[in-house]
Amino acid sequence: EVVMTQSPAALSVSPGERATLSCRASQSVYSNLAWYQQKPGLSPRLLINDTSARATGIPARFSGSGSGTEFTLTISSLQSEDSAIYYCQQYYNWPPLTFGGGTQVEIK
Amino acid sequence: EVQLVESGGGLVQPGESLRLSCAASGFTFSNFAMSWVRQAPGRGLEWVSGLSGNGVGIYYADSVKGRFTVSRDNSKNTLYLQMNSLRAEDTAIYSCARNVLSWGGSPMDYWGQGTVVTVSS
Repeated sequence: EVVMTQSPAALSVSPGERATLSCRASQSVYSNLAWYQQKPGLSPRLLINDTSARATGIPARFSGSGSGTEFTLTISSLQSEDSAIYYCQQYYNWPPLTFGGGTQVEIK
Repeated sequence: EVQLVESGGGLVQPGESLRLSCAASGFTFSNFAMSWVRQAPGRGLEWVSGLSGNGVGIYYADSVKGRFTVSRDNSKNTLYLQMNSLRAEDTAIYSCARNVLSWGGSPMDYWGQGTVVTVSS
């Protein structure tokens, strides 16, 4: 099973600043990496798939990068509505599909 | 508009069974793989099971293998999860999600709101 590790566990960023979230895979997942946003009481929303492709309707301030075992989600200019938990997920070596433990993003 | 609506959750005792349903609408159901994902209270996301669009590819997490059975009825646009021999650690919100491809090795672009399963004596 591919273990996904996210860091940091929590992040506090001022509005308009950049947020950088990391995700590491225990083995290469090539570019088969997605990012999700989950707000309290809501279902996850797909932000990014294939490492860097934004899903439909996702603002351009969200971008993804990386390959192999190291991946990054960047929120270029944090907005108040970006306060959420962010999960990465690999879909290269499955089953199972595996998620990281999440990064909580808080707005200062 | 794509909609996924789960039902069937509830409070059961350890060892009992539940059957979850996920009614899908707004897309050609048989063209997409579907997954069940759960989230225990205060915890992260855990993929539980997946099923290809044609129902041939069936996959489970080790934690539920042998106890849970996933199925789909493409004529009714409905996904099911039969959960037997339930344990306290199965307590979670169970959500169905649509995979972006017809096979299960893909991200999930639409999610239901989930149904709560509580296993407790």
